[in-house]
Parts: sequence; structure tokens; C-alpha cells
Amino acid sequence: LAKTTQPISMDSYEGQEVNITCSHNNIATNDYITWYQQFPSQGPRFIIQGYKTKVTNEVASLFIPADRKSSTLSLPRVSLSDTAVYYCLVGAYGAGSYQLTFGKGTKLSVIP
Amino acid sequence: GEEVAQTPKHLVRGEGQKAKLYCAPIKGHSYVFWYQQVLKNEFKFLISFQNENVFDETGMPKERFSAKCLPNSPCSLEIQATKLEDSAVYFCASSRPELTGNQPQHFGDGTRLSIL
Repeated sequence: LAKTTQPISMDSYEGQEVNITCSHNNIATNDYITWYQQFPSQGPRFIIQGYKTKVTNEVASLFIPADRKSSTLSLPRVSLSDTAVYYCLVGAYGAGSYQLTFGKGTKLSVIP
Repeated sequence: GEEVAQTPKHLVRGEGQKAKLYCAPIKGHSYVFWYQQVLKNEFKFLISFQNENVFDETGMPKERFSAKCLPNSPCSLEIQATKLEDSAVYFCASSRPELTGNQPQHFGDGTRLSIL
């Protein structure tokens, strides 16, 4: 499973767009990139997943360059409730490889 | 149900006692996963099931830990003769049966196990 590197922490003011970048230099051809969000005392919550280019859903966008060695999670106009730890995960889901490998995550603090 | 349900939320045991944790996956999900979060943000994969069959147990400690997923029952994770180092939050996740790369795992809110 490819190792990921992301900033340990980030601060942002309410209403701003936040971009969290994750490096995954050893990503394999079959790997997908998945982001999870975790609030204190809760389990990780799936945010978004992508393979290449750009993916957008109702809560976030995921940008993946052509070489796929990094990805950027973009949160538009964050609010205080977006304060959480964000995890970038890279993995393939072929038979026998379903386990997720979490790194240390990025602790996002949204400031009023 | 629509959410992964884990019980109990908190479990306190004395060292050496047995601990048993339960997980009800989302209805229709046939894969179940157990993870251990010891320190803040550090997750460790333990075991996964495809229906009632063990799918991947590479992260499971060889001694003291066991898990089951039986038909029509919540899945369970059991720790015999608990040790202080077993104190952690144990998360269960489930996912749908399609064998493709776009089936995310959905997590419960965990069971906090405290060994005294």
C-alpha cells in the first residue's frame, strides 16, 4: 500500500476555501485515492474518492494531476463544523487488499 | 440499518478480564472490517470478513484476539485476558460487495475500551 504524506495541521478562517495536499509518490496503477474526515469521538467519515483528474461532490472536490503522485482535497467556504482530522488514503481494492492504511492525517482548525 | 452500529460505546475491564465488542454492519454490506485506534490518529487494521468468512486476518494478533461474523447476528471482536496495551478505540466498518475500487468503507463510531 502506498505511503501518504500530508501536513500535520492547518488553520483557516471561516468562509475560506481550504486545500489539503497529500503526496503519494509510490501510487500504483490500480490505486484509488480516498479522503476521510474524523471528528472527535466519532468514526472516520468518507468524503470523496477519485482515480484521476477531478472529482466533485456536494461537500468537496478532489484534484488529481496526471502523474497521480499527489492529490488535493478542496473544501469550499469552510465553517467551524469542518474542524476535524482529514485522512488521505491510497489503495487498491483487489481481492485480499481491502484494508485501509491511515496515516496521521491533517488536523484542520477553522477559526471564527 | 443505514449506519454501522457498534456496541457498547464504552467498555471498562480489569486487566486479565475478557472484553467483547459488537458491530452491526449496514444492511446489504457483505464486507466487515475491524480497526484499532490506539494513539490519536494511529489506526491499525485487524481483520476483515466477507459475510461470515474471514477475508483478511493479517493484522490480527495471534493470541488473545478472535472475531466472528455469524449469519443473522452482529459481528463480534473478543479479547481474552486483556492487557493494558489493549486500551484503544475499536472501529468497525462495512462496505458493499462489489469488487471494484470505488466502494468506500463506512465506519461506526467505535467502542472505547479501557483496561484498568
